Amino acid sequence: DQQVKQNSPSLSVQEGRISILNCDYTNSMFDYFLWYKKYPAEGPTFLISISSIKDKNEDGRFTVFLNKSAKHLSLHIVPSQPGDSAVYFCAASPNTGFQKLVFGTGTRLLVSP
Amino acid sequence: DVKVTQSSRYLVKRTGEKVFLECVQDMDHENMFWYRQDPGLGLRLIYFSYDVKMKEKGDIPEGYSVSREKKERFSLILESASTNQTSMYLCASSLGDMGSYEQYFGPGTRLTVT
Repeated sequence: DQQVKQNSPSLSVQEGRISILNCDYTNSMFDYFLWYKKYPAEGPTFLISISSIKDKNEDGRFTVFLNKSAKHLSLHIVPSQPGDSAVYFCAASPNTGFQKLVFGTGTRLLVSP
Repeated sequence: DVKVTQSSRYLVKRTGEKVFLECVQDMDHENMFWYRQDPGLGLRLIYFSYDVKMKEKGDIPEGYSVSREKKERFSLILESASTNQTSMYLCASSLGDMGSYEQYFGPGTRLTVT
């Protein structure tokens, strides 16, 4: 069963506008959440994270929001730039002590000029 | 900067061959991971290791084995490659400290089994 879900396989946004990528999870034991960005032919790179004790974390143009009661997190990119075009994965870590991550299926973001 | 390197970017093997994928990290990380990435399925954990000579099965370990003889090196072995193992393989490492969840990834190996 897919414990971390990204229901939108793709998203298209114009340069300068806001991109909102969504992620839902089912396991209430997840206590840390991360977003990764992946360009073709490269490995994923860490973008931003949030602990379950917070509901928001900001880093420059990137903000992650966590709604624990809804088991939902979102990544906001403002303003979006063409270089943001990539596949974005959300990931969650259960509190097992091994720092394992469970990844979503990814959302392909295309930012057009 | 953390560097995770993988031995090959592209690999083509025949069905039934034994395949070795090598991964090396240079940051003295405790944890190392092997994933495969397939369209529509995201990244799925095959095996991970939290110490030298220690290994744990991930979500899809069937058809794979691993070896970690040195802290910096984690090998993925396909004992008898099959066409359904055609995929992008990604290695990652992480610090291993409690509260340190960030994993650093290598560039990936695209394996084709014919």
